[in-house]
Amino acid sequence: KAGVTQTPRYLIKTRGQQVTLSCSPISGHRSVSWYQQTPGQGLQFLFEYFSETQRNKGNFPGRFSGRQFSNSRSEMNVSTLELGDSALYLCASRDGGVDRAASPLHFGNGTRLTVT
Amino acid sequence: AQSVAQPEDQVNVAEGNPLTVKCTYSVSGNPYLFWYVQYPNRGLQFLLKYITGDNLVKGSYGFEAEFNKSQTSFHLKKPSALVSDSALYFCAVRDIGSYKLIFGSGTRLLVRP
Repeated sequence: KAGVTQTPRYLIKTRGQQVTLSCSPISGHRSVSWYQQTPGQGLQFLFEYFSETQRNKGNFPGRFSGRQFSNSRSEMNVSTLELGDSALYLCASRDGGVDRAASPLHFGNGTRLTVT
Repeated sequence: AQSVAQPEDQVNVAEGNPLTVKCTYSVSGNPYLFWYVQYPNRGLQFLLKYITGDNLVKGSYGFEAEFNKSQTSFHLKKPSALVSDSALYFCAVRDIGSYKLIFGSGTRLLVRP
């Protein structure tokens, strides 16, 4: 099976702009999660989607939003970019079967966003 | 609230020697614990998990982890380190309320030839 695919790999944006990142999960996986990785804060949970519904949301401002489509592909959007939004954004998918607790996340290679 | 701690920012080991990367956890209830590895400019790769059962869990690339309930630890181990094992390692615990993974701060492993 193909792994989790994230596009684009790199993005450079200017403060105040908005950006959309895309994620295609592993075939058959219906759960998609997003994480932000920075040197200072480490890995922080943004949100999780399952069957087009947001299941959980992390402690991020409303400028961060996401959605999931019927084919399980997901996008996240950041509006009014700030310098502090520069980070590696990681998407992960999971087999959303019965045992949610036990199934591991499978990560993509991420999108590195630089805000200038 | 669930949490994990990785007390070492970096671990240095010579190739061929055994390695240990430490992780301690704090959870209410039974822990669901995971180890991931991250190579430069890549995402996280799943290594192994502990859900229940045997305290010694075997995973990918020759790694294993020992679950110790009394010490609330879940240390990652490998009997013989390779230079190619040099990477960033993350321990994580599943938050049962939200099912999100809560990650430790990461430990950089450097294996010298």
